[in-house]
Amino acid sequence: DSGVTQTPKHLITATGQRVTLRCSPRSGDLSVYWYQQSLDQGLQFLIQYYNGEERAKGNILERFSAQQFPDLHSELNLSSLELGDSALYFCASSQGGDADNSPLHFGNGTRLTVT
Amino acid sequence: DQQVKQNSPSLSVQEGRISILNCDYTNSMFDYFLWYKKYPAEGPTFLISISSIKDKNEDGRFTVFLNKSAKHLSLHIVPSQPGDSAVYFCAASGNGQNFVFGPGTRLSVLP
Repeated sequence: DSGVTQTPKHLITATGQRVTLRCSPRSGDLSVYWYQQSLDQGLQFLIQYYNGEERAKGNILERFSAQQFPDLHSELNLSSLELGDSALYFCASSQGGDADNSPLHFGNGTRLTVT
Repeated sequence: DQQVKQNSPSLSVQEGRISILNCDYTNSMFDYFLWYKKYPAEGPTFLISISSIKDKNEDGRFTVFLNKSAKHLSLHIVPSQPGDSAVYFCAASGNGQNFVFGPGTRLSVLP
């Protein structure tokens, strides 16, 4: 058990809809990362938050947004969903901070299916 | 533009033998490298890491080697066990930020 909790585990929704994925980081971790994995492909970095502030952005679509709350949990919002958004969405956390070489610890992901 | 490459999509090894997984990177700003193991329906699990100031790090059956001049790292698993069968991801970051993952190598350890 990595200590990172993601809910829900599965989500099935229709095109055009909006969903929210939730992540609770490991106790003590300040950084939260979101990754997308489509069809056995690699992990694509979406966005990182550190202590409530956006720290880095990757290949995140404008239809997607995220935030990290004062209690450090994070939510990833996906709107105007398309079939191609079907994927596994992983959250990871780390202690964070600049030049902090600590590994990411991943949750078990949310599998999103858009029909 | 793939900054982290794992050129072998799959690898099969006999139980008890050595598994060697390879990874190449292009960004010279990367200074921290990690290996993750992933089973189906689970998130990636951290295995071992290495800082750019070292060329080798060992943890039990797992050893990571880093060749900075070649921008190459490898993961050695000795001896390989059937439970090691999984997808292995190489990852790299610079200054503790922006962890970039390779596409993964599927390791099958045959009994």
